Amino acid sequence: GNSVTQMEGPVTLSEEAFLTINCTYTATGYPSLFWYVQYPGEGLQLLLKATKADDKGSNKGFEATYRKETTSFHLEKGSVQVSDSAVYFCALNGGYQKVTFGTGTKLQVIP
Amino acid sequence: KAGVTQTPRYLIKTRGQQVTLSCSPISGHRSVSWYQQTPGQGLQFLFEYFSETQRNKGNFPGRFSGRQFSNSRSEMNVSTLELGDSALYLCASTPRLAGSQETQYFGPGTRLLVL
Repeated sequence: GNSVTQMEGPVTLSEEAFLTINCTYTATGYPSLFWYVQYPGEGLQLLLKATKADDKGSNKGFEATYRKETTSFHLEKGSVQVSDSAVYFCALNGGYQKVTFGTGTKLQVIP
Repeated sequence: KAGVTQTPRYLIKTRGQQVTLSCSPISGHRSVSWYQQTPGQGLQFLFEYFSETQRNKGNFPGRFSGRQFSNSRSEMNVSTLELGDSALYLCASTPRLAGSQETQYFGPGTRLLVL
């Protein structure tokens, strides 16, 4: 079956540091890939997505590129802010709305 | 457009009771999926409803059930509650216009505590 593997957290960074959260996946066919963010006490918010190989999703300074050759969808941001502190989930939709999520990576940004 | 809404936001029940959670999707969205989120198991897919029919189901016991109404609103029911059912239950909606890899939009969740 499909699976998503994320780097374990928590990740602690200083404000303005560079962020990378690794995500690799296993799936048959050509899934769509997503990054969601969850702030404390809230549901998941879509951060960005990519639907085919070499697509780059971007939003609010975050970027991720769909790499089929390495089955990866790493999340990056050039300069994190305290307000980026949250849990980030990598996910894939292999079809028919049955979405597989990674375990989540908690990011803490300190001033 | 209003987002996905879930009611109630918080719920406390005791073992053996049953509970019903409600989800109203984004207007025009026809598919509703349910997920269970726990610290130990992460996010796990429960089931998806589209056009009042269950289309997909995850690996949960029969105590977990759901339904969808003609206005696309969905309810999830858990019978004979167990302590392990304590979790955040998330609902997500999609348009389900065409294809099957659309973005899911999540509600804020219902936090269930079973004592």
